Amino acid sequence: SQTIHQWPATLVQPVGSPLSLECTVEGTSNPNLYWYRQAAGRGLQLLFYSVGIGQISSEVPQNLSASRPQDRQFILSSKKLLLSDSGFYLCAWNEGPNSPLHFGNGTRLTVT
Amino acid sequence: SQQGEEDPQALSIQEGENATMNCSYKTSINNLQWYRQNSGRGLVHLILIRSNEREKHSGRLRVTLDTSKKSSSLLITASRAADTASYFCATYLNTGGFKTIFGAGTRLFVKA
Repeated sequence: SQTIHQWPATLVQPVGSPLSLECTVEGTSNPNLYWYRQAAGRGLQLLFYSVGIGQISSEVPQNLSASRPQDRQFILSSKKLLLSDSGFYLCAWNEGPNSPLHFGNGTRLTVT
Repeated sequence: SQQGEEDPQALSIQEGENATMNCSYKTSINNLQWYRQNSGRGLVHLILIRSNEREKHSGRLRVTLDTSKKSSSLLITASRAADTASYFCATYLNTGGFKTIFGAGTRLFVKA
């Protein structure tokens, strides 16, 4: 069966520090991969999605970037965090247009 | 901006009652999905309904889709305290790319 791993679960970082969040999927090949951010009590904002290695689509211009160095690995990065980067970051995957998203357990990022 | 908007934003009911949540969206869709999120966790997929379908059932869940009104509803029958969670609708857009866009969610509280 397929599983998705996302880490770390929580992270507290100072303003101006770098960020690297990692997500890996097991049990499937060539998944579509997604990064979402959720502000407290709000819906999910799509940040990036990828349909293949090295293919990244950005939805919101911001202080973040994403990379897909391997088929089932998706990384969210920042060179210098801002206070506004705080939030709940969720990685997800699916198989294509008419398949549901499968989410990781999320990373709670607090920028201080 | 949000593609889907849920209504109500919050709902409090007694155990055993039915809960109805509504979702409206703006543009043409390929499918519409409903998800559940327990506090501080990732989202769990409930039901996916395609644009050419009008109703779908899964256990105590019933989803309807009216593409002429660009709206959907999620009915949870005979609710239980364990149904307490946030519920989100999400639309997969027909406009190219692989974007699943989420609404702000309905927070459901079921009192025992």
